[in-house]
Amino acid sequence: DTAVSQTPKYLVTQMGNDKSIKCEQNLGHDTMYWYKQDSKKFLKIMFSYNNKELIINETVPNRFSPKSPDKAHLNLHINSLELGDSAVYFCASSRFSGGSYEQYFGPGTRLTVT
Amino acid sequence: KQEVTQIPAALSVPEGENLVLNCSFTDSAIYNLQWFRQDPGKGLTSLLLIQSSQREQTSGRLNASLDKSSGRSTLYIAASQPGDSATYLCAVKDFNKFYFGSGTKLNVKP
Repeated sequence: DTAVSQTPKYLVTQMGNDKSIKCEQNLGHDTMYWYKQDSKKFLKIMFSYNNKELIINETVPNRFSPKSPDKAHLNLHINSLELGDSAVYFCASSRFSGGSYEQYFGPGTRLTVT
Repeated sequence: KQEVTQIPAALSVPEGENLVLNCSFTDSAIYNLQWFRQDPGKGLTSLLLIQSSQREQTSGRLNASLDKSSGRSTLYIAASQPGDSATYLCAVKDFNKFYFGSGTKLNVKP
């Protein structure tokens, strides 16, 4: 019973290509996130959606475009990939319950741009 | 702006030792603090969540404390085992979003 799933797990592509990463959660959470983890393991928030509405949009190049077709899905499309986009991308979800927000993460998508 | 710092960046201990990982944050206006574990090449696994009104949470050999006024949390691991080797991250949630520390990489030697 996977709570937060991402596809693909690995993605190797060339500079200039366009690629998408998909995320699904079956926890019934209202909020979903995309994070980027760089080579130094630092996690940086990119986007967050609450009930399909974009609520957080950090300073991310316009080449990155998230889409949430419904509460359970959040996809990330990247145009014109660059070498610096190589990283691990994590999807996460959370729900406000009992006075707190607990976040659950997917397994990550390792993107390598050559 | 919230900043989260974790010290030390890396820690190596012999099996069986008790150890403490530290997490500090600059803004005490938080909803909760969450500790995660990340194994190499894997996602983050939630270990413990402490609400802002709580002082500590326990799960097995893990105990997390929170001192909101001083902006500090500690993760105590009792009787460490080689299987505890991983990177441990803390994250605080404010009104807007989650903020992560850069993690402590723990190595428990057999």
